[in-house]
Amino acid sequence: AAGVIQSPRHLIKEKRETATLKCYPIPRHDTVYWYQQGPGQDPQFLISFYEKMQSDKGSIPDRFSAQQFSDYHSELNMSSLELGDSALYFCASSTKDGLRTYEQYFGPGTRLTVT
Amino acid sequence: RKEVEQDPGPFNVPEGATVAFNCTYSNSASQSFFWYRQDCRKEPKLLMSVYSSGNEDGRFTAQLNRASQYISLLIRDSKLSDSATYLCVVSSFSGGYNKLIFGAGTRLAVHP
Repeated sequence: AAGVIQSPRHLIKEKRETATLKCYPIPRHDTVYWYQQGPGQDPQFLISFYEKMQSDKGSIPDRFSAQQFSDYHSELNMSSLELGDSALYFCASSTKDGLRTYEQYFGPGTRLTVT
Repeated sequence: RKEVEQDPGPFNVPEGATVAFNCTYSNSASQSFFWYRQDCRKEPKLLMSVYSSGNEDGRFTAQLNRASQYISLLIRDSKLSDSATYLCVVSSFSGGYNKLIFGAGTRLAVHP
């Protein structure tokens, strides 16, 4: 079965640079979520989109923005990168389908290293 | 205090052992509950949703006690391949949408 696709898988940037992470949800999934997982930490919710509209916002820094496009893929834009932004960034998707409405399926993640 | 609390472990068990993980959550309005499994440097993978009546999937049994705000996962006949971090996850529902709140995870190491 098709899974969530994220690109790139690895990214190295310098401080103060910008980065764009992409997420392609499972086909027919209408909701996308972004999470950040630092070393030794549990995933922290950043932001989510449903039907191209922002649906919820978590601990996303003001330097970051995100959007969901008409084909349901999403992009996380990160500016003025800091060393502390180095982490694994996961995208997850879900669909409103009865009992499975709240099940989220994660992509393989993008490992961002800021030097 | 974290919204979802788990014993961090590690749990070191021999193959064939039965091991139980516990988890408590603080938000009584939480709607949905899950166990995810995460291998090192990989994405969390949904192991099972946890329903009020409890549910079983092969060697895995999950239980939910809403009154005590407590979730458990039982793994029977442990395999080497069960070694991973098990994340207790609670869905926080607001404005018609949900986000997942993760526990810090319990590490399981199954040895021969």
